[in-house]
Amino acid sequence: QSVLTQPPSVSAAPGQKVTISCSGSSSNIGNNYVSWYQQLPGTAPKLLIYDNNKRPSGIPDRFSGSKSGTSATLGITGLQTGDEADYYCGTWDNSLSALWVFGGGTKLTVL
Amino acid sequence: QVQLQESGPGLVKPSETLSLTCAVSGYSISSGYYWGWMRQPPGKGLEWIGTIYHSGSTYYNPSLRSRVTISVDTSKNRFSLKLNSLTAADAAVYYCARQLSNYFDPWGQGTLVTVSS
Repeated sequence: QSVLTQPPSVSAAPGQKVTISCSGSSSNIGNNYVSWYQQLPGTAPKLLIYDNNKRPSGIPDRFSGSKSGTSATLGITGLQTGDEADYYCGTWDNSLSALWVFGGGTKLTVL
Repeated sequence: QVQLQESGPGLVKPSETLSLTCAVSGYSISSGYYWGWMRQPPGKGLEWIGTIYHSGSTYYNPSLRSRVTISVDTSKNRFSLKLNSLTAADAAVYYCARQLSNYFDPWGQGTLVTVSS
């Protein structure tokens, strides 16, 4: 059971928009920056969004991030078949001692 | 361009110790930043194992703390993971990554570890 809760799967058609939620608490998302990672099949995770809503160089603006209270959201517009991947949110958790936590991951299917 | 590469045995016997190394190129570890280890069991999600600062300060996942040691060798520009008393539950792809306070980037390609006698 992950500390951060993500939907196991989401799906949408090519060209459409999808959002992936990441729900936590005041000890993690509520008081820390959130990052998002894309893991294409058979590859290592890749940073997609950092500090809640910033995109690293090379990440298209189709990908966006937001945070409100103890939840964060990843948005993807103009879906492409190449976006089919697992997506993970992550942040620090300060509940007992400083530790990093990931969400359980969300499988995106582009129909 | 910073690159990380994990290395180590792909097969470890139960109860033995796993030793993995992450070689860093394109950046000097002694210059700063944190460096982390994660793992991903087959078909499952990511789990953070621990993080080390270039000076040697460490942070470990409480669920693994009693079995984990992460160290850094600035002279060889690499950092290492030791996980002892292995069981089948430790079988996973192990990743190393640079940690910039609030996120991990970049990641190594990962190395698959199988636990079997």
